[in-house]
Amino acid sequence: DQQVKQNSPSLSVQEGRISILNCDYTNSMFDYFLWYKKYPAEGPTFLISISSIKDKNEDGRFTVFLNKSAKHLSLHIVPSQPGDSAVYFCAASDLSRGYSGGGADGLTFGKGTHLIIQP
Amino acid sequence: NAGVTQTPKFQVLKTGQSMTLQCAQDMNHNSMYWYRQDPGMGLRLIYYSASEGTTDKGEVPNGYNVSRLNKREFSLRLESAAPSQTSVYFCASSPHGANVLTFGAGSRLTVL
Repeated sequence: DQQVKQNSPSLSVQEGRISILNCDYTNSMFDYFLWYKKYPAEGPTFLISISSIKDKNEDGRFTVFLNKSAKHLSLHIVPSQPGDSAVYFCAASDLSRGYSGGGADGLTFGKGTHLIIQP
Repeated sequence: NAGVTQTPKFQVLKTGQSMTLQCAQDMNHNSMYWYRQDPGMGLRLIYYSASEGTTDKGEVPNGYNVSRLNKREFSLRLESAAPSQTSVYFCASSPHGANVLTFGAGSRLTVL
């Protein structure tokens, strides 16, 4: 059973427009959410995160929105730039269970969305 | 600052062969992880090490073994490679208790 779902395998957006990447989760115990960005032949890099006590977190062109009642989060990129073309992974964790594994052992990743920014 | 370094970047094995993927981090992180990424499957945790001297199974540990050699190094061993282990493997590290991972560049393994 997939607990973190990214239902769009790919998304094409024109340069300068807004990119919206979506992520749904099923585990109501998840209370911390992250987005990672991955370029080809590189490892994922951390982009932005949000705690369940917030509904929005902003970092420059990137904003993550969390709707706990709908178990949905989204990543907005405004404006989209060619360098944003990458695979974006949504990840979720339940911090309240107290990990013995260092923290990230409880991370559950989505399958990723390939964002393509068209010139 | 190298971050997380993985070797080799590419490897082709025959079924039944063994090999070890090496990983080292220079950020003084306590926790280290091995993931695999398959098309359409996202990132799945194989094994992790919360701190030096400890290792634990993740979501997909079968067919793998790990060694936390010291605080810097965490290796992943395939004792008898199978075609199902064809994948891209990522090593990652984090400070203890943190969710934010620093990943290596990946090792692409093909088992024929």
